[in-house]
Amino acid sequence: EVQLVESGGNLVKPGGSLRLSCVASSSLFSITWMNWVRQAPGKGLEWVGRIKSETDGGTADYAAPVKGRFSISRDDSKTTVYLQMKGLKIEDTGVYYCTTDHFQVMNNWGQGTTVTVSS
Amino acid sequence: DIVMTQSPDSLAVSLGERATINCKSSQTVLHSSDNKNYLAWYQQKPGQPPKLLISWASTRESGVPDRFSGSGSGTDFTLTISSLQAEDVAFYYCQQSYSPPLTFGQGTRVEIK
Repeated sequence: EVQLVESGGNLVKPGGSLRLSCVASSSLFSITWMNWVRQAPGKGLEWVGRIKSETDGGTADYAAPVKGRFSISRDDSKTTVYLQMKGLKIEDTGVYYCTTDHFQVMNNWGQGTTVTVSS
Repeated sequence: DIVMTQSPDSLAVSLGERATINCKSSQTVLHSSDNKNYLAWYQQKPGQPPKLLISWASTRESGVPDRFSGSGSGTDFTLTISSLQAEDVAFYYCQQSYSPPLTFGQGTRVEIK
């Protein structure tokens, strides 16, 4: 089983920026697609975006609410995926999870990191 | 976007009884190229991250008790817990990966009656 550890969550003011990291304990990381999923306090799960492996093009897709503000990247040498967040809004508050994507199934989840956007 | 709608929002079942959760997608999630339903079920217990229970609508993950089963095809799916145990108290979510944006159902809360 792959272990995923997210970090970087913090309290930030509206309009601010934050970068989340997710380190994976997997020798197969370079061929693994990765997702970010978030959960607002007391709410359900919301997909944020996904990055393909470099062998599959390395491109990313995003949910409409974050497109143009968030960016996902990866560093296969560090088995790490990043979520760069800019122009943060209060509604971006929540727990952010990274997940592996095994043939379009989110089969491993991290424990999450908490982002709070508040003035 | 594909909208996923679960019913009911909340469910109270006696220990040992059956729990059934429904999930409906706004369009088919059955891929004609491989005849697979791109539909997964997740369980989330309080204070924990979600856990994958079932993929491809009916394939149970390794280690998941066989009281959990998934069924359905196209746009209508069901997660069944055949004999509810205390440790099954959780939120359950369906999710489609047929096409981005990937979308989840709103969740169903399962508790003990």
